[in-house]
Amino acid sequence: AQSVAQPEDQVNVAEGNPLTVKCTYSVSGNPYLFWYVQYPNRGLQFLLKYITGDNLVKGSYGFEAEFNKSQTSFHLKKPSALVSDSALYFCAVRGYGQNFVFGPGTRLSVLP
Amino acid sequence: DAGVIQSPRHEVTEMGQEVTLRCKPISGHDYLFWYRQTMMRGLELLIYFNNNVPIDDSGMPEDRFSAKMPNASFSTLKIQPSEPRDSAVYFCASRTSGGETQYFGPGTRLLVL
Repeated sequence: AQSVAQPEDQVNVAEGNPLTVKCTYSVSGNPYLFWYVQYPNRGLQFLLKYITGDNLVKGSYGFEAEFNKSQTSFHLKKPSALVSDSALYFCAVRGYGQNFVFGPGTRLSVLP
Repeated sequence: DAGVIQSPRHEVTEMGQEVTLRCKPISGHDYLFWYRQTMMRGLELLIYFNNNVPIDDSGMPEDRFSAKMPNASFSTLKIQPSEPRDSAVYFCASRTSGGETQYFGPGTRLLVL
């Protein structure tokens, strides 16, 4: 069975500092991994995905994520956080031919 | 492209009433998904369609919930009768058969009093 864990309910970071939002997964076979962001009263917006290839993937708004197969992780990163990055972030995994499984979400607060 | 369109954006109703939520997927997308989001349970997949055919409805909480997709550009999620515990945000999402990424609508915020 597929599963996704986001070990932190909340991440606080000062503006300008690097941020990391953690995600680990479990799936049989090769994973398709995704990050979505949800701003208040909005739907989920696609940020980036890993399907195959380079372990470091770059996405929207300066975000990137690193796929680590041995650690079954797909942490979301940004070198310099903005206050406007404050939102709810969801990691999702999908095995081939399977549906998405979403993590519980991590609330990111960037403090000015 | 307008993206996934959902209506209404907000719905307030009384317990026992019928509620119908609507979704228009992105043109050309042949998979459509209905999700429910609550604080307690996070994002839950309720049902999904492929080429207008329901494939997996195991996430539908009970018989009060039903979903249809009469054509490639329209789907409904109906709750009858509604109960206060149905209060949540309901999202529709779509993707192509060859695509990996789901695209979400803005959601319908449902409050059942």
